[in-house]
Amino acid sequence: SQQGEEDPQALSIQEGENATMNCSYKTSINNLQWYRQNSGRGLVHLILIRSNEREKHSGRLRVTLDTSKKSSSLLITASRAADTASYFCATVRGGSQGNLIFGKGTKLSVKP
Amino acid sequence: SQTIHQWPATLVQPVGSPLSLECTVEGTSNPNLYWYRQAAGRGLQLLFYSVGIGQISSEVPQNLSASRPQDRQFILSSKKLLLSDSGFYLCAWSQGVLNEKLFFGSGTQLSVL
Repeated sequence: SQQGEEDPQALSIQEGENATMNCSYKTSINNLQWYRQNSGRGLVHLILIRSNEREKHSGRLRVTLDTSKKSSSLLITASRAADTASYFCATVRGGSQGNLIFGKGTKLSVKP
Repeated sequence: SQTIHQWPATLVQPVGSPLSLECTVEGTSNPNLYWYRQAAGRGLQLLFYSVGIGQISSEVPQNLSASRPQDRQFILSSKKLLLSDSGFYLCAWSQGVLNEKLFFGSGTQLSVL
């Protein structure tokens, strides 16, 4: 069953603007991961945030996790045309060695 | 450094024909290995994963099977392809804890006609 749901499904911004994508999930989790996928390519792991963490940074990426709301957000600051891709959140259910469940993704388009 | 190789990049097969997709990982030992399928515009569906040679876990009943004949080799197979097997197949690996920080191959676009 679907665990993570990204919002919005598609996002179009201008270069230099910030992009925010959200992910909601249904059950308790061990961690939440964000991946990026360029069209027709494999996924690239961006960042992992654990259930006891609230915020994490990596370069221009900032991820927050609110376990009370069962949601996470991915912020890309000062976006570039090269950031154009689909972004997926993925979760593993807490308390088990469950599978990594991916959402359907947010398609980000950054216009130069 | 570690690398993952997946081939072929594209494949067109007739219904009822067999399938063999191969994935190899270099630069690491005893990786966890995964096969995912991605339908157009959708998220990824886990098909199989393996934590060691000969150890295969299947997540979705289907027309496919997987094997791990060597530590860093993962093969996805079918004896007879169905139209519904079409999709983008991705191999991935991770080290240590299962399901954390997966590294994906470049994928195989399979069209069954």
